[in-house]
Amino acid sequence: GENVEQHPSTLSVQEGDSAVIKCTYSDSASNYFPWYKQELGKGPQLIIDIRSNVGEKKDQRIAVTLNKTAKHFSLHITETQPEDSAVYFCAASVGGGTGGFKTIFGAGTRLFVKA
Amino acid sequence: ETGVTQSPTHLIKTRGQQVTLRCSSQSGHNTVSWYQQALGQGPQFIFQYYREEENGRGNFPPRFSGLQFPNYSSELNVNALELDDSALYLCASSLLTGHYGYTFGSGTRLTVV
Repeated sequence: GENVEQHPSTLSVQEGDSAVIKCTYSDSASNYFPWYKQELGKGPQLIIDIRSNVGEKKDQRIAVTLNKTAKHFSLHITETQPEDSAVYFCAASVGGGTGGFKTIFGAGTRLFVKA
Repeated sequence: ETGVTQSPTHLIKTRGQQVTLRCSSQSGHNTVSWYQQALGQGPQFIFQYYREEENGRGNFPPRFSGLQFPNYSSELNVNALELDDSALYLCASSLLTGHYGYTFGSGTRLTVV
């Protein structure tokens, strides 16, 4: 089955710097890659996603890149702010056959943005 | 537009008991997925329901079961609770089944003692 690995587990940056989180996936049939942000006491919140027919997507300070050949995808946050501090999860979605759909999550990256 | 609501928010059960967790999906969403999140870990996929049928399942034993109702709300049932079942249980709804982003609830924190 699909396996998603995420690095680093913890990331500390200075306010205004960029942050990069990287993920790899195992199932080449995965074709949808969402990213979620989870704040303390809340459920994960979708912040950006990318589909397999696209190599890069940007939304203001957040961008995601996908390399299907290498099975890598990454989240880039520019001009980080203290309110970006949270746990970020990458995920890969696979399915559509008799087994239905599954979205598999990475283990998470705890991002600290120091003011 | 209402989001995903889960109940209860916290629950303490004894090993061997049974528990039912409830989820109301976001308005207009017809697919519900359930996840288990242990402390400091990523969410683990339990199963997904679409049009009242199970539409995908993760590596969880049969004592984890679910239901989806005609109004798209859902229940997660866990029988014969074990200590390792202690976790945050997250419900997520999406517009359709398939490759779409989820709207998550805030979860139910289950503690098994």
